[in-house]
Amino acid sequence: AQSVTQLDSQVPVFEEAPVELRCNYSSSVSVYLFWYVQYPNQGLQLLLKYLSGSTLVESINGFEAEFNKSQTSFHLRKPSVHISDTAEYFCAVSEKAAGNKLTFGGGTRVLVKP
Amino acid sequence: GAVVSQHPSRVICKSGTSVKIECRSLDFQATTMFWYRQFPKQSLMLMATSNEGSKATYEQGVEKDKFLINHASLTLSTLTVTSAHPEDSSFYICSARVPITSGKTGEQFFGPGTRLTVL
Repeated sequence: AQSVTQLDSQVPVFEEAPVELRCNYSSSVSVYLFWYVQYPNQGLQLLLKYLSGSTLVESINGFEAEFNKSQTSFHLRKPSVHISDTAEYFCAVSEKAAGNKLTFGGGTRVLVKP
Repeated sequence: GAVVSQHPSRVICKSGTSVKIECRSLDFQATTMFWYRQFPKQSLMLMATSNEGSKATYEQGVEKDKFLINHASLTLSTLTVTSAHPEDSSFYICSARVPITSGKTGEQFFGPGTRLTVL
């Protein structure tokens, strides 16, 4: 079984300030790691993913996440946030050999203030 | 990119009635689709895995007779909430997994969700 913990349920941040969303996971096997973003009353959009290779992955809109196997973490960062980054962010994992079922963390609500 | 649609986006029904939600992969064939449930301000909980041409696999605690899943084609899966009650009110989200041969192993694309309100 696997589990995902997002340590912060809410993160208020001022516009143009940096933000870090923490994600830790537990699994007995190798995993794929994902960050999804959800805007109000919408489905999830993939932000970025780690499947293999470089442990630092980046999205097209300035987010990045680093896979740390020893700490079983996959924290998400952005050096300068915009108002439009206000949303719910979910970290998720799937075991590489389990039909790709996703297990989600509890979510972190980011509120960007002007 | 891969697009997944859901219909309807919002539905209100009376207690005791059944509601069908459709999930379609618009520009790719999905042998596997997933159904999730999300309560307000909570995370997504996987309800079941739907495989084309076979019975769905339900997660522990999900009533298979209450949440009927049909995956009759490579682009369509349906979730029917039977004899709905107010406690079934929730946001239901589906996802479709791209074929492994596409090179995007493990990636799921999500639908926009269906908000069900049972009165």
